[in-house]
Amino acid sequence: EIVLTQSPVTLSLSPGERATLSCRASQSVSSFLAWFQQKPGQAPRLLIYDASRRATGIPARFSGSGSGTDFTLTISSLEPEDFAVYYCQQRINWPGTFGQGTKVEIK
Amino acid sequence: QVQLQESGPGLVKPSETLSLTCTVSGGSISGYYWSWVRQPPGKRLEWIAYIHNTGITNNTPSLRSRITTSLDTSKNQFSLKLSSVTAADTAVYYCARQGVIGGVTYFDYWGQGILVTVSS
Repeated sequence: EIVLTQSPVTLSLSPGERATLSCRASQSVSSFLAWFQQKPGQAPRLLIYDASRRATGIPARFSGSGSGTDFTLTISSLEPEDFAVYYCQQRINWPGTFGQGTKVEIK
Repeated sequence: QVQLQESGPGLVKPSETLSLTCTVSGGSISGYYWSWVRQPPGKRLEWIAYIHNTGITNNTPSLRSRITTSLDTSKNQFSLKLSSVTAADTAVYYCARQGVIGGVTYFDYWGQGILVTVSS
């Protein structure tokens, strides 16, 4: 089973700042990686798929990069509604495992 | 807009069977893979099963002997049964659709989730 490790566990930032989240895989997942946003009491929302493609309706301030084992989700300028937990998920094999999450909190 | 809604008991006794149903509205259940994902308290998300209306199914190895999935196209619903539950099966259970939007399928629609507690 592929293990995804996200860092940092918590990111404390102010609105308007840039957020950089990392996801590292225990073995290559090629570009088959997604990022999700989850707010308390809500279902996860797909942000990025195939490592760098934005899902429908996702603002341009969200971007993804990376391939193989190292991936990054960048939020260029945090809006108040972006404070949430972010998960990465690999889709190269079954079952597609998730990272443990990074919480982006207001500083 | 596709919407998914989980339903079922929020409390299940140890050794009994957990049964959940996901109702899909705003779109057809045919032609897609439909999944169950769970999240135990304080733990990461875990993809446990998927099903397609053609009969294709798959279950996570650690739960394979205890999981049964089914799909009813006439009701636009799919279901999960998890037998012989223990406290370790306590989790928020989500149903989700796998959309063909990239090189592989990704979860593009999710239900709100239902907390299932295993306790006597």
